[in-house]
Amino acid sequence: DTGVSQNPRHKITKRGQNVTFRCDPISEHNRLYWYRQTLGQGPEFLTYFQNEAQLEKSRLLSDRFSAERPKGSFSTLEIQRTEQGDSAMYLCASSFPTDTEAFFGQGTRLTVV
Amino acid sequence: GDSVTQMEGPVTLSEEAFLTINCTYTATGYPSLFWYVQYPGEGLQLLLKATKADDKGSNKGFEATYRKETTSFHLEKGSVQVSDSAVYFCALRANQFYFGTGTSLTVIP
Repeated sequence: DTGVSQNPRHKITKRGQNVTFRCDPISEHNRLYWYRQTLGQGPEFLTYFQNEAQLEKSRLLSDRFSAERPKGSFSTLEIQRTEQGDSAMYLCASSFPTDTEAFFGQGTRLTVV
Repeated sequence: GDSVTQMEGPVTLSEEAFLTINCTYTATGYPSLFWYVQYPGEGLQLLLKATKADDKGSNKGFEATYRKETTSFHLEKGSVQVSDSAVYFCALRANQFYFGTGTSLTVIP
């Protein structure tokens, strides 16, 4: 296993379009997290899954954002009707359930023009 | 709620200088604590961790001790190198991971 994989690495989209990102976690990990990072800031929590169950979603997250992890393996993050403020790096991470660290992917950089 | 407060940057040091980056946390219970590092153009990598009070995490010459009494997890290195130039994030684990805002370190020769 080579680690957490995210695709695409870069995405440029026009305002109002929908975009979808994919994350493939480390196979033994049953927790999967999505974060957003803007320049000069730390990662901001979006949501996390344990297996296929979405256990927590940020209260600050717009309804335009949705995430799935249908079979408890890979996950997708969809942003509908993108806005310029959605431009950021979207990070995926995975971990075991308790105490241990999260392993991060390289991220998907979204630019909304 | 749970949160991490991290020393503001940027920090610029000369090679071989001593480094301290302060981190304090607020949490219910006793969460695991982490330092992550992000090198230019790369993703977040775990630098070190501590899972209980008084534990010392260490890696690549960096150290941090989990201090329950002061709710702190300060990062230290005795002699920094140019290759240590990066952004450093303090984090705690509850159900999710909470991150500080990051401290940018530049080491000049």
